[in-house]
Amino acid sequence: GESVGLHLPTLSVQEGDNSIINCAYSNSASDYFIWYKQESGKGPQFIIDIRSNMDKRQGQRVTVLLNKTVKHLSLQIAATQPGDSAVYFCAENQAGTALIFGKGTTLSVSS
Amino acid sequence: SQTIHQWPATLVQPVGSPLSLECTVEGTSNPNLYWYRQAAGRGLQLLFYSVGIGQISSEVPQNLSASRPQDRQFILSSKKLLLSDSGFYLCAWTKTTGNTEAFFGQGTRLTVV
Repeated sequence: GESVGLHLPTLSVQEGDNSIINCAYSNSASDYFIWYKQESGKGPQFIIDIRSNMDKRQGQRVTVLLNKTVKHLSLQIAATQPGDSAVYFCAENQAGTALIFGKGTTLSVSS
Repeated sequence: SQTIHQWPATLVQPVGSPLSLECTVEGTSNPNLYWYRQAAGRGLQLLFYSVGIGQISSEVPQNLSASRPQDRQFILSSKKLLLSDSGFYLCAWTKTTGNTEAFFGQGTRLTVV
């Protein structure tokens, strides 16, 4: 079953705002986490990952934060653009096992 | 570079008919291979994964089966489709060692009628 969940199924923001998508995981043994973006009718695409020995990682316009104490993961998107509209999934992985995905958050960006 | 191919992109099949979805990976050897299913508006449910030729692990009991006849080929099958088998099927691969991201194919939209 799914061990990763998201707090909100949908998030609507205005173009230019910062977006924060949250995720809670339940397996304290998970040591690797990924955020994926899925556009309609396509496979998920990798955005950013983070390992459990880190609490923050930055990419281009995106930042992932990991709080192992409360088993919480978040994805921050700076200056959200209409092209960021998609479904975002967090996924967790414990060494030697398959990625387990949450239900996803649909991000809608209006201009 | 590595690529993953999945076909067909869409499929409409009658109830009771067989199914065969194929996935191949290029540019890597001995990948871990996965089949996921995504129901409308839902997350990805892991169906099968394989760490090598002929090695298949099933995550949930269902009307489907998987096979890995070659190192970079993963096939999802059914002898008799049910309406509940409709969904978006995704193949993915990861490197064998360590925690790494999964690379996904473009998916197959299966509609059982």
